[in-house]
Formats: sequence, structure tokens, C-alpha cells
Amino acid sequence: GENVEQHPSTLSVQEGDSAVIKCTYSDSASNYFPWYKQELGKGPQLIIDIRSNVGEKKDQRIAVTLNKTAKHFSLHITETQPEDSAVYFCAASLPPGNTPLVFGKGTRLSVIA
Amino acid sequence: EPEVTQTPSHQVTQMGQEVILRCVPISNHLYFYWYRQILGQKVEFLVSFYNNEISEKSEIFDDQFSVERPDGSNFTLKIRSTKLEDSAMYFCASIVGTVSGYTFGSGTRLTVV
Repeated sequence: GENVEQHPSTLSVQEGDSAVIKCTYSDSASNYFPWYKQELGKGPQLIIDIRSNVGEKKDQRIAVTLNKTAKHFSLHITETQPEDSAVYFCAASLPPGNTPLVFGKGTRLSVIA
Repeated sequence: EPEVTQTPSHQVTQMGQEVILRCVPISNHLYFYWYRQILGQKVEFLVSFYNNEISEKSEIFDDQFSVERPDGSNFTLKIRSTKLEDSAMYFCASIVGTVSGYTFGSGTRLTVV
């Protein structure tokens, strides 16, 4: 089955700097790659997602890139702010789109003011 | 913005007792899921439910677990005889179809003592 690896497990950046979190997946048939932000005591919140027919997607300070050949995708957060501090999870799923998500282990991002 | 609602937010139960975790998915969503997250670990898929039946389940979802949609709004997860290792956050999620993203609830923290 699908396996998703996520790095790094922890990341500290200065406010205003960029943060990059990387994930790899094992099943080349996976075609949906969401990123979730989880704050303490809350459920995962979708922040951006990308499908395999697209190489990059951007939403304000957040972007995701996908390299299907290498089977990896990355989350980029620019101009980080203290409120970006949270645990970020990547995930992957197979078609047709309602198949279960397979999550990475998460990255704890700390933005230092 | 529509939400997935979960109750209770925290449940403490004695080992061997039955627990029922409740979820109200978003009203026009068709696919429902339970995931769990053991403290500090990744989010893991338990079961998916569509058209009033289980569509997929993981190896975690053994015969101690069951799901039900007793009416048009609630979606429940029952653990028949809880074990210490069932202690985790349990998240309900739903999606409207095969091209939409998942919406997660804020979770139920289950503590088995």
C-alpha cells in the first residue's frame, strides 16, 4: 500500500523567513496530495492541496509543488508569521478521490518572533 | 463555513467498557471516515462509509469496532470493549464527492484507564 515519508520532523524558522517541508510517496498511482495544519487540540485543517495533473499551486503565502517522476511534493510557506506555528501533515490518496488518506508523520513548525 | 461536529470532545472510560463517539458530517457530504491519532503519531485511517455501508477498513478496525449512520445526520464509531491502546484522538471526516477535499472534525480525545 501507499507509504508517505515526511521531513523534517521539526523545523524552526525566524519570523519572515521561508519554511519548506518535503514529502515522498511510494505509489505512483496516487493522484491527490493535500496538506493539513493541526493546531494543539484541534483537528487537521486543509490548507492547500494539489492533484497530479498540476505541478504547482499557490495560495497567498503558501505553495505546493509536485514532482510526479520523483514522487515527491513540498509545502512552501513564505514570510512566516508566529501564527504559522503548528504541526503540518502531508497526505496522499489513490483515485478516485474518496479513497482514504495516507498521512506523513508530521512536521512541527515553530516560527520564532 | 460548514463544519464536521464531533461529540464529546473528551471521553474517559474504564478498560473493557463500550464507548460511542459521535459525529455530524457536513449535510451534503456523501462519504464519511474515521481516523485516529495516537499522541505524537501520524493520523491513521480506520474506516470509510458510503451509501450506508463500510466501503473500506484498515487492519486497525477489527471486530471490536463498528460504525453506524442511525439517521440522516449522525455517524457513530463504537468500540465494544476498550483497551488501553485505544487511547487516542479520534477524528471524523467527510467529503462531498470524489473531487473535493476532506473536512475533519475537531476530534474526540478518548482516554482508557
